[in-house]
Amino acid sequence: QKEVEQNSGPLSVPEGAIASLNCTYSDRGSQSFFWYRQYSGKSPELIMSIYSNGDKEDGRFTAQLNKASQYVSLLIRDSQPSDSATYLCAVNPDRGSTLGRLYFGRGTQLTVWP
Amino acid sequence: ETGVTQTPRHLVMGMTNKKSLKCEQHLGHNAMYWYKQSAKKPLELMFVYNFKEQTENNSVPSRFSPECPNSSHLFLHLHTLQPEDSALYLCASSPDRSTIYFGEGSWLTVV
Repeated sequence: QKEVEQNSGPLSVPEGAIASLNCTYSDRGSQSFFWYRQYSGKSPELIMSIYSNGDKEDGRFTAQLNKASQYVSLLIRDSQPSDSATYLCAVNPDRGSTLGRLYFGRGTQLTVWP
Repeated sequence: ETGVTQTPRHLVMGMTNKKSLKCEQHLGHNAMYWYKQSAKKPLELMFVYNFKEQTENNSVPSRFSPECPNSSHLFLHLHTLQPEDSALYLCASSPDRSTIYFGEGSWLTVV
């Protein structure tokens, strides 16, 4: 069973603050990790991918991966009201596969208030 | 515009109806997927196609029947659905194991 766990929230932060979103996964051999953003009534949109332990930064977003702890997180710096959405953590547990099968968490709802 | 187009965007059907969802990707990807998103549940992988061959059926009931005539098109045929099948059905494609791109989704309501 491939489990991906996230706190459902809601997580509420003021504009300009750092939002921290966390995710744990059960399959120790997982290789690829993704964060998707989903606005209400819309489809998920990829915002970050990470494959190696450590940090990966892209603009205001930083993904952090710790495979030993089976933990992946997303930090959003200088949070904006437009960041208010549900953030989905996704894991690809396949090793050596050419396919991008993903297992998703339930998502964390983030609200950034002005 | 995501490069993955789904039609119809909204569908209401009775439990005895037969309908189909259509997906087309313009990205040249080799793999296509159907996912289901229900309220309060994680996104669930339903089917995987690679070069138009089905490689995974994630224990989906037979009232859902996928069809992939070529690498750019994917259908989900619906027959005698139940109200609990009401959900957002998402098509996705990927070039490899690194990234999945979703379409806008088809909202299905079964009455």
